[in-house]
Amino acid sequence: DAGVTQSPTHLIKTRGQQVTLRCSPKSGHDTVSWYQQALGQGPQFIFQYYEEEERQRGNFPDRFSGHQFPNYSSELNVNALLLGDSALYLCASSSGTPNEQFFGPGTRLTVL
Amino acid sequence: KQEVTQIPAALSVPEGENLVLNCSFTDSAIYNLQWFRQDPGKGLTSLLLIQSSQREQTSGRLNASLDKSSGRSTLYIAASQPGDSATYLCAVPFTDSWGKLQFGAGTQVVVTP
Repeated sequence: DAGVTQSPTHLIKTRGQQVTLRCSPKSGHDTVSWYQQALGQGPQFIFQYYEEEERQRGNFPDRFSGHQFPNYSSELNVNALLLGDSALYLCASSSGTPNEQFFGPGTRLTVL
Repeated sequence: KQEVTQIPAALSVPEGENLVLNCSFTDSAIYNLQWFRQDPGKGLTSLLLIQSSQREQTSGRLNASLDKSSGRSTLYIAASQPGDSATYLCAVPFTDSWGKLQFGAGTQVVVTP
């Protein structure tokens, strides 16, 4: 079992650009959640996907969007990048909610 | 609104000492509580999930207790080792939205040889 995987590991972008992050859930999991973690803080919930639809959303602007594919993998898209978007982006998967969530290694995004 | 607090923010202990990490939450109507470990710059590793109906959960040297009425959970790590050095976070599902986890800021632990 490969667990939750994320790509890429690191990413450097400039302000105003757009970025796409990818996540593959743990085998058997159908629910994917995305979190943003700033340095020294706990992760903040961005949104959750289930059955290819956004089911829940945190307090993030519309610049943050996502998608879930039929194989349950997911993408996080961020448009018009700001310096404040620099963070570790974490993907978590679960088999329904509110069951145990398993996290991937994260994608470190740096916006210059 | 559910708020999760972890005190202390940092902790340093000598090897062999038992670790006691605290997590408090404001809304006792939780479904479960999850403890995670995070190494610097890495993702989160799930350590223990304790259901609201449970008082404690154990895995190896780790033991987590839950007291819903007082809004507290404690993670005990027995006989600490330098490899236990990491940040430990607790998280609970939002009361009105179970898919969303509300995290504490974490306790950074250093175990010195």
